Amino acid sequence: DAKTTQPPSMDCAEGRAANLPCNHSTISGNEYVYWYRQIHSQGPQYIIHGLKNNETNEMASLIITEDRKSSTLILPHATLRDTAVYYCIALSFTGNQFYFGTGTSLTVIP
Amino acid sequence: DSGVTQTPKHLITATGQRVTLRCSPRSGDLSVYWYQQSLDQGLQFLIHYYNGEERAKGNILERFSAQQFPDLHSELNLSSLELGDSALYFCASSPGLREPYEQYFGPGTRLTVT
Repeated sequence: DAKTTQPPSMDCAEGRAANLPCNHSTISGNEYVYWYRQIHSQGPQYIIHGLKNNETNEMASLIITEDRKSSTLILPHATLRDTAVYYCIALSFTGNQFYFGTGTSLTVIP
Repeated sequence: DSGVTQTPKHLITATGQRVTLRCSPRSGDLSVYWYQQSLDQGLQFLIHYYNGEERAKGNILERFSAQQFPDLHSELNLSSLELGDSALYFCASSPGLREPYEQYFGPGTRLTVT
């Protein structure tokens, strides 16, 4: 499975969009991009995943570049409860081994 | 609430001891995954079971073992415990094996080895 690279930390003002980047330049054609987040020491929470098309759900949007070498998770209106560590994972559906990496610590500022 | 339950929530034990952590997956989920999260290692995949069979192993020590029972609950057994085994242990479940399913995580068991 492809390795992903994320900035270690980011800040975002409350109410603004939070754009979290992820680089996965070695991703292969059958690998999906997953995003999870972990608030404090709670269990990680699934956010969204995609293969090559942009995806949107009630939590976030996922924008994947055309060459699939990077993606951006967008939280459209960040709230204080969105403060968490966000993990980007590239995984083939034959893999089923999730390697979380170090993630991006997002702090939403009032 | 993810629907995944883990017991106990907290566990304090001494070095050299053995403990068992229990996980009940979401109703209908056949896959169970175990992860370890310590301060200096991040979230580490340990092992994956699907419908009672071991499917993948990650960074799991030989002192650790797991199984998934016919009712699909799973147990993680940790033996000859060392101080470095102190960590949060998470269980996750997903419906299938090969589809791009998301994993749903339980609240974790915090293990402290003294």
